Amino acid sequence: SQELEQSPQSLIVQEGKNLTINCTSSKTLYGLYWYKQKYGEGLIFLMMLQKGGEEKSHEKITAKLDEKKQQSSLHITASQPSHAGIYLCGAGTSYNFNKFYFGSGTKLNVKP
Amino acid sequence: DAGITQSPRYKITETGRQVTLMCHQTWSHSYMFWYRQDLGHGLRLIYYSAAADITDKGEVPDGYVVSRSKTENFPLTLESATRSQTSVYFCASSESGGAQPQHFGDGTRLSIL
Repeated sequence: SQELEQSPQSLIVQEGKNLTINCTSSKTLYGLYWYKQKYGEGLIFLMMLQKGGEEKSHEKITAKLDEKKQQSSLHITASQPSHAGIYLCGAGTSYNFNKFYFGSGTKLNVKP
Repeated sequence: DAGITQSPRYKITETGRQVTLMCHQTWSHSYMFWYRQDLGHGLRLIYYSAAADITDKGEVPDGYVVSRSKTENFPLTLESATRSQTSVYFCASSESGGAQPQHFGDGTRLSIL
């Protein structure tokens, strides 16, 4: 079941450009996680957002959570080839986070 | 080094065989998870465990068995492998079930012929 919808599914940007990836939930969000996956490797935790309106940044990546819209966005500023990979959002469907769903991922390529 | 390790990294087997994928974490995290990742389906939760001897089904548990006799280990067994279980399997752990990120292993690529 697609509890989390990510858009776009894939993205090719020129190095230095900004980009945004969206993650929309069909259910109430009790928090949202962003992960990055390089091809053939495991998932690397990027950020966790818990409260509506919360915004977090790490290096050139910023994530926001809009609880009312049940949506989160991940924004990369001045993209670099090292940002390439698959970005996945994940969220629990209950407060206890005992059951966890992931979006289908957004594949990002950054052209040097 | 502390972390979460999966073994084997790659496995090829035949339909009907029993296969066990291993997962070991050194953080003493309470929660552990098994996911499978397939094109078109993304990551789907198979089973999870809140503590030793406590396990529960996820979204796609059929055909899989788990156990957790020790906190640090969470093996996943395919009792009679089928081609539809060809996938990449990821193990993850988290300190608690809520409000803590899950940390993932590098995955096991399983092919069933």
